[in-house]
Amino acid sequence: SAVISQKPSRDICQRGTSLTIQCQVDSQVTMMFWYRQQPGQSLTLIATANQGSEATYESGFVIDKFPISRPNLTFSTLTVSNMSPEDSSIYLCSGQVQTAQYFGPGTRLLVL
Amino acid sequence: TQLLEQSPQFLSIQEGENLTVYCNSSSVFSSLQWYRQEPGEGPVLLVTVVTGGEVKKLKRLTFQFGDARKDSSLHITAAQPGDTGLYLCAGVDDYKLSFGAGTTVTVRA
Repeated sequence: SAVISQKPSRDICQRGTSLTIQCQVDSQVTMMFWYRQQPGQSLTLIATANQGSEATYESGFVIDKFPISRPNLTFSTLTVSNMSPEDSSIYLCSGQVQTAQYFGPGTRLLVL
Repeated sequence: TQLLEQSPQFLSIQEGENLTVYCNSSSVFSSLQWYRQEPGEGPVLLVTVVTGGEVKKLKRLTFQFGDARKDSSLHITAAQPGDTGLYLCAGVDDYKLSFGAGTTVTVRA
């Protein structure tokens, strides 16, 4: 298994600014992912964070808007750039251990 | 396009009653997983089903996978308030998860 923590847990930001979310895993994992979720609704995969190379983005998500870093096998960051109110959401990271994904508690973002 | 449909969207029952949540896919994934998510937390994996016709039990939870590997159900017997949460099914392909819209279950004491 894996225990995943995220910082910050929540934030309120002004439009036009950027926020970087950190994701820390307590053990090395081969794959890490970033998701977005509206409260009470489904999760949408943003990208796969690749260690040592550029992230792989899903349709509708681009690197300029959501730059991702993964410097090692236990840590990743997601930046939400040039934020607008439409970016208000919960952002979750996960780590893959064998056939299971373990999720962080999420970062709740409100953009005013 | 939402590949996995879940029903119902909301379910509110009394403690001790049974409930069933359904997940139907428009395509076949390599496996299907069920998660439960509580407010302020990330989803937690409950089970993975792989083989058509498979049935798995986890205490009071019974998971079924259809023969065609496109539909699945989660049945909870004698529900308890601790079963309250958002239940999500997810299709797995190459480690990537495609989630259904989720079913919000509320069990009243």
